[in-house]
Amino acid sequence: SQKIEQNSEALNIQEGKTATLTCNYTNYSPAYLQWYRQDPGRGPVFLLLIRENEKEKRKERLKVTFDTTLKQSLFHITASQPADSATYLCALVYGGYNKLIFGAGTRLAVHP
Amino acid sequence: EAGVVQSPRYKIIEKKQPVAFWCNPISGHNTLYWYRQNLGQGPELLIRYENEEAVDDSQLPKDRFSAERLKGVDSTLKIQPAELGDSAVYLCASSRDRGELDTQYFGPGTRLTVL
Repeated sequence: SQKIEQNSEALNIQEGKTATLTCNYTNYSPAYLQWYRQDPGRGPVFLLLIRENEKEKRKERLKVTFDTTLKQSLFHITASQPADSATYLCALVYGGYNKLIFGAGTRLAVHP
Repeated sequence: EAGVVQSPRYKIIEKKQPVAFWCNPISGHNTLYWYRQNLGQGPELLIRYENEEAVDDSQLPKDRFSAERLKGVDSTLKIQPAELGDSAVYLCASSRDRGELDTQYFGPGTRLTVL
C-alpha cells in the first residue's frame, strides 16, 4: 500500500543548530514534493517545492533534497531559531494535477 | 491580499446533529479544496472543486457529507448527522488553478468536536 512516513517523534534542537527532518515514501512516483509549515491552530503554509529531476532546492535558511532512488526527501533548517518551532509536513504531488498526499508531520522545537 | 477565510473557527455539537462549515477562497482562485485533519495526522483531501464543479470527491463519505460551491466562489461543507469519529479540523484551501505547480493556500480551519 502507499505510505508516507515522517519522524513521529518530536525533534528538539538547540538554537543555532541545523534541524534535519525526513520524509520517506513507498509505492509512489511523485513528480513533485512539497514542504509545509503548520503552527498550532493554523492551516499549513507552503514553504518549498522540489521537482523529481532536482536534487536540491534552497530558500534562505531552508534546504530540501529529493532522492527518487531512495524515495526520500530531507528538509534542513540552518541556524535554527525558536521561531522555527512548528510542525513540518511533507506532501507528494500526485495524480497528474494538484493533488497532495500529506505525511503526518514532524514537530520541531528549537530551544534558546 | 486577504487569505482563505473559514467560519466558524470552533464548533461543538452533540452526535447526530447537523453541522456546516463555510469557506471563502482567495479572490480569483478557481480551485477549492476541503481537507480533514485528524489529531496528529496530515490533512486528507475530501473534495476538490474547479469553479463550481466537484471534480474529485472520491474521499468524501457521501452518506453523511455534502458540499457545494455555488457560483464558483464560496463553499459550504455539511455533515448530517455527525458522528463521534467526525471530530477533526476541517481545512479549506484554494489555488489559482489545478496545475501541479499551483500553490495551495490554506485557511485556519474549523475545529469540530462531536460529543
